[in-house]
Amino acid sequence: DAKTTQPPSMDCAEGRAANLPCNHSTISGNEYVYWYRQIHSQGPQYIIHGLKNNETNEMASLIITEDRKSSTLILPHATLRDTAVYYCIVRVSTGRRALTFGSGTRLQVQP
Amino acid sequence: GAVVSQHPSWVICKSGTSVKIECRSLDFQATTMFWYRQFPKQSLMLMATSNEGSKATYEQGVEKDKFLINHASLTLSTLTVTSAHPEDSSFYICSSLRVSRTDTQYFGPGTRLTVL
Repeated sequence: DAKTTQPPSMDCAEGRAANLPCNHSTISGNEYVYWYRQIHSQGPQYIIHGLKNNETNEMASLIITEDRKSSTLILPHATLRDTAVYYCIVRVSTGRRALTFGSGTRLQVQP
Repeated sequence: GAVVSQHPSWVICKSGTSVKIECRSLDFQATTMFWYRQFPKQSLMLMATSNEGSKATYEQGVEKDKFLINHASLTLSTLTVTSAHPEDSSFYICSSLRVSRTDTQYFGPGTRLTVL
C-alpha cells in the first residue's frame, strides 16, 4: 500500500470548512484513497473513498488531484462533534486485506 | 451506514482470567473480519484477520494461543484474551469487511479492557 503523509494536527473554527490534506505521491493506478475518522474512545468511522474522481456524500467531499498524488477531505461546515483524528489510507480495494492506520491528523474544531 | 457492534463496551478483570469480546456485523454478512488493538496515544494496530469457517491469520508478534479468535458465522467473530495480564489492557476494536466493487471496512465501537 502506498505511504501517506498528513499534518499531525489542524485547527478549524466551528461553522467553517475544514480542509484536511493528504499526500500519497507513490499511489498506484489501482489504489483507492480512503478516509476514516476516530472520535476519542470510539472505533474508526468510515467517511468516504475514491479512485480518481471527486466524491461527495452526506459527510464530506473528497478532492483528488489529477495526478492522484494528493487529496483533500473537506468537511463543509465543521461542528464541535467533528473533532477527531482523521486518517487518510491508500490501498487497493480488493484482496480482503485490512486497512493500515498511520498517525492521522488530529482536527480540533474551535467554538 | 453499516453497523458493527461489540460486546462488552468495557470490561475489568483480574490478572489470570480470560475475557471474551464479541463482534457482530449487523447490516451485512462478513466472511472476513479484523481485530485491532490500540494503546493510549497510539494508532490502531492490526492483530489478526478472522475468516469465517477457517483459522484466523495473526500478525507478527501476536500470540495466537493467547488471543483466540473464532469466526463461526457470517455475522459473529469473537476474540478471547486468555490468562489476561495488565499489559493486555488496551482498546480492542473489530471491523467487518463489506465485499463489493470497492471493499470497505466498517468498525465496531471498541471494547476497553482493563486487567488489574
